[in-house]
Amino acid sequence: DIQMTQSPSSVSASVGDRVTITCRASQVISTWLAWYQQKPGKAPKLLIYAASSLESGVPSRFSGGGSGTDFSLTISSLQPEDVATYYCQQANSFPYTFGQGTKLEIK
Amino acid sequence: QVQLVDSGGGLVKPGGSLRLSCVVSGFTFSDYYMSWIRQAPGKGLEWLSYISTSSDYTNYADSVKGRFTISRDNDRNSLYLQMNNLRVEDTAIYYCARVAVGDDAFDLWGQGTMVTVSS
Repeated sequence: DIQMTQSPSSVSASVGDRVTITCRASQVISTWLAWYQQKPGKAPKLLIYAASSLESGVPSRFSGGGSGTDFSLTISSLQPEDVATYYCQQANSFPYTFGQGTKLEIK
Repeated sequence: QVQLVDSGGGLVKPGGSLRLSCVVSGFTFSDYYMSWIRQAPGKGLEWLSYISTSSDYTNYADSVKGRFTISRDNDRNSLYLQMNNLRVEDTAIYYCARVAVGDDAFDLWGQGTMVTVSS
């Protein structure tokens, strides 16, 4: 199975800050990588697919990058509504696997 | 309105069975692969199962293989998860999710249904 490791596990930043979350795959997955945002008590929401493609309706302050084994999710200017847990997921091969999550809080 | 509505969760004893349903609306269900994903209380996301548009291909996580069965009824716009021989560790919120065409991301999620396995 492909292991997905996110860092950091939690991050606290101020409104307006640039925030980057990283995700590392245990094997090469090309760009078969998605990012999700989950707010408390809600279902996850797709933000980024194919490593760098922004899902329709997602604010442009979110961006994704990387290929192979190393990926990143960046929020260019943190907003209060971005408080959530973020997950990466590989879709290169079964079983599909998620990272352990990164909890983002506002300072 | 594009949506997925999960149902069928509840409290069941270890060794028991439960059938989850997911009814979709607002898009052509038969055009999309579908999956089930779960989240144990306070934990991360775990992909469970995947089914093709015509049900000729399915795949399962090892943790549920042989106990859970995914199925769909395209005429009823419905996805199902039959869960047998349930264990305490199956306690979780279960989500159905639509698989995006071409990149296998999960682009639409149900609201989730809670399954509690306890004696």
